[in-house]
Parts: sequence; C-alpha cells; structure tokens
Amino acid sequence: RKEVEQDPGPFNVPEGATVAFNCTYSNSASQSFFWYRQDCRKEPKLLMSVYSSGNEDGRFTAQLNRASQYISLLIRDSKLSDSATYLCVVSGRSNFGNEKLTFGTGTRLTIIP
Amino acid sequence: DTGVSQDPRHKITKRGQNVTFRCDPISEHNRLYWYRQTLGQGPEFLTYFQNEAQLEKSRLLSDRFSAERPKGSFSTLEIQRTEQGDSAMYLCASSWTQDRGTHEQYFGPGTRLTVT
Repeated sequence: RKEVEQDPGPFNVPEGATVAFNCTYSNSASQSFFWYRQDCRKEPKLLMSVYSSGNEDGRFTAQLNRASQYISLLIRDSKLSDSATYLCVVSGRSNFGNEKLTFGTGTRLTIIP
Repeated sequence: DTGVSQDPRHKITKRGQNVTFRCDPISEHNRLYWYRQTLGQGPEFLTYFQNEAQLEKSRLLSDRFSAERPKGSFSTLEIQRTEQGDSAMYLCASSWTQDRGTHEQYFGPGTRLTVT
C-alpha cells in the first residue's frame, strides 16, 4: 500500500462548480499535512496546511480525519486559474527518526470554461 | 527574488557523463531538501540537510549520487555515470525548523535532466 494515495483523476470540471479531492495516508503517526499545487512544468507551491479542526482559506477548505487517516480539499466556485495538479503531502518520521514529507502522485484538475 | 533558486534549469547529457546541480535556499532557512520527480508522479525524497549536516538519504539515492552543503548555505547534487533512468526533474526545497515539528517547504524551479 502506498504511503499517500490520492484520487486518480483527472478531474474536468466546469467553471463555477465545486470540486473535492480526497487523500488517504497509511502512517497513523503522521503529524502534519499539506496540500500543494503544481502547475504544468513548474515547482510545487504550498496551497495550505491542514489542521485537525479543519481550515478554510477563501474558496478552499481542507479537512483532516485522523481516525480514518483521510484528508480532503474542497474548492468552491472553481476558476480557470485553479487548473493544476494538487498534491497531498503528509509528514512523518523516517526509520532514522527524521521528519520527512511524502507526496501523493497528485490529482490533475482542469477547469472548463 | 529571495526564493529558492536552482542552476541549471535544464541539462542534457550523454549517458555515462557526470552532472552537478546547484541549489541556493532561502537565506534564513536551515533545512534543505532534494527531491526527484518523474512525469505523473509526486516528488520523491532523496536527501536532506540541517545546516551542513546531511541527516538522511533515501534508498533511491544510489552510490552514483552525492550531495553536499559545505557551509550550510547552498547545496550541490552530483550524479556520476548518468543513466537514462536518471532523467527527471530534480527539485530543491528549503524550510526553517527550530523544533522537531514539520514546517512548510518552499521549492525551487527545479533542474530538468535529460540523459540521452
């Protein structure tokens, strides 16, 4: 089982719609969680951290369910500029006790005019 | 621009040649990471430094790969005797961490390596 698994995608969504991404992680000891956005042939950029209580940033809402080891990202009123690949990222401890980030494979989103 | 920078942005090399990439992190960041990303995959962890100390290396980092961060500032990643399977985007990231917690990592634009 992969450490971080995401919806396979791609998602093709009309402008203005709401879209949800899901992600599961296997390491129950994971401590920090993030969503990154990556545009085509660009570097990943932090979109938002995910907190246990859930958090919202404008049109974006992230939620964490530790019991189910599940993270979600909701985008409301989607815009053309939201087209990108969304990476689910989980932090944990390596076998040597060092922190490390593990990235999912990403879900590609295309907003259709 | 005070973000993470990488050089070169693109590198084409012939199989068997050695290549070296450079990363300059955000100046106040004490941690520096190297990742590799291939098409359709997320970034895969290769190694990371806290200041000048290399704390961990992934098993993905074979003996042909070596990384340094001699003064705790910029870092280099060298690949010796390149193979076609080394073709990928090599990403550098940095973060500031005072405790054992995980803090956001900021990525550079990457070096795209093509081995012919």
